[in-house]
Amino acid sequence: EDQVTQSPEALRLQEGESSSLNCSYTVSGLRGLFWYRQDPGKGPEFLFTLYSAGEEKEKERLKATLTKKESFLHITAPKPEDSATYLCAVLPPGSARQLTFGSGTQLTVLP
Amino acid sequence: DTGVSQDPRHKITKRGQNVTFRCDPISEHNRLYWYRQTLGQGPEFLTYFQNEAQLEKSRLLSDRFSAERPKGSFSTLEIQRTEQGDSAMYLCASSLNRRGRTSTDTQYFGPGTRLTVL
Repeated sequence: EDQVTQSPEALRLQEGESSSLNCSYTVSGLRGLFWYRQDPGKGPEFLFTLYSAGEEKEKERLKATLTKKESFLHITAPKPEDSATYLCAVLPPGSARQLTFGSGTQLTVLP
Repeated sequence: DTGVSQDPRHKITKRGQNVTFRCDPISEHNRLYWYRQTLGQGPEFLTYFQNEAQLEKSRLLSDRFSAERPKGSFSTLEIQRTEQGDSAMYLCASSLNRRGRTSTDTQYFGPGTRLTVL
């Protein structure tokens, strides 16, 4: 069974303190890895899609990278408004269209 | 706003009652998905439509759950004889798949419907 594991479960940072979130997966033949941000009581908001090892994408203070077994979401100089749960999801090979999600990392950025 | 919309946003019901949720996808999107999310977990896939055809269903989707997408536009998810274990956030997502392309089309989520079964 496809597995997606995110670590840490929770992370508290001071404003400006850079860090990384990890997403490891066991899917073979990955067709895509997705990062979403979710605020409390809201639906996930799309951030990035990565397709192949070595690929990187950036948006403001966020940068996502992908290797053959894991992805990292790097947060540079975070601000309190970056506080949210960050979800990682994979699209397995074959005809399946459903995303398999990890449990998320709850990020809190303190002012 | 041209994003995915869901209605209602919140629903409180008593055990044994039936509930129905609606999802309106992004207008040009031909794929629609339903997920369920419980506290502290990521969303879990329930079912998926390509236009009006329901193509995949999860084993999580018991006989009490039914979903439709008439005319390939909006979708409804009905839960019959609700149980306390059905309490969760029900999320709808949509994506655009272009014919003839191997696609890893991005799924865009709505705000969700929070169901509480008393």
